[in-house]
Amino acid sequence: GENVEQHPSTLSVQEGDSAVIKCTYSDSASNYFPWYKQELGKRPQLIIDIRSNVGEKKDQRIAVTLNKTAKHFSLHITETQPEDSAVYFCAARLYGGFKTIFGAGTRLFVKA
Amino acid sequence: NAGVTQTPKFQVLKTGQSMTLQCAQDMNHNSMYWYRQDPGMGLRLIYYSASEGTTDKGEVPNGYNVSRLNKREFSLRLESAAPSQTSVYFCASSRGESNYGYTFGSGTRLTVV
Repeated sequence: GENVEQHPSTLSVQEGDSAVIKCTYSDSASNYFPWYKQELGKRPQLIIDIRSNVGEKKDQRIAVTLNKTAKHFSLHITETQPEDSAVYFCAARLYGGFKTIFGAGTRLFVKA
Repeated sequence: NAGVTQTPKFQVLKTGQSMTLQCAQDMNHNSMYWYRQDPGMGLRLIYYSASEGTTDKGEVPNGYNVSRLNKREFSLRLESAAPSQTSVYFCASSRGESNYGYTFGSGTRLTVV
């Protein structure tokens, strides 16, 4: 089955710097890659997603890139702010499937 | 529009007790899911229901059962709770097609002593 690895497990940046979180997946049949943000004590919320027919997608300060050949995708947050502090999860879903497999999460700290 | 509603929010069980976690969505979504979240392990899929009338095992189904009662409701049952089932449980729903994300409920924090 699909396996998703996420790095780093913890990331600390200064306010205004960029943050990058990287994920790899194992099943080349995966075609949908969402990212979720979970603030302390809250539910995960979808922040951005990318489909396998696209190499990059941007939404204001966040962007996601996908390298299908390497089976690798990344989340980029620019101009980080203290409210970006949270746990971020990458995930992958097989084409035609219903199961989404999550990475273990990255705890991002943005220092003011 | 409440989205995905889970009950209860907190529960403490003794080993061997049973309980049912309830989940309901009002977004007319076809698919529903149960995940558990443990520190350092992300979200692991327990069971899912691709559409009303169907259920399938996920990554960690042992010790759990589910019922898709109707299109809105998907319950998770622990027949004989064990300390290893101490976790935060999230219900989620999605439109069902492959390329749509989840809407999560607010979670149930379960402790088994």
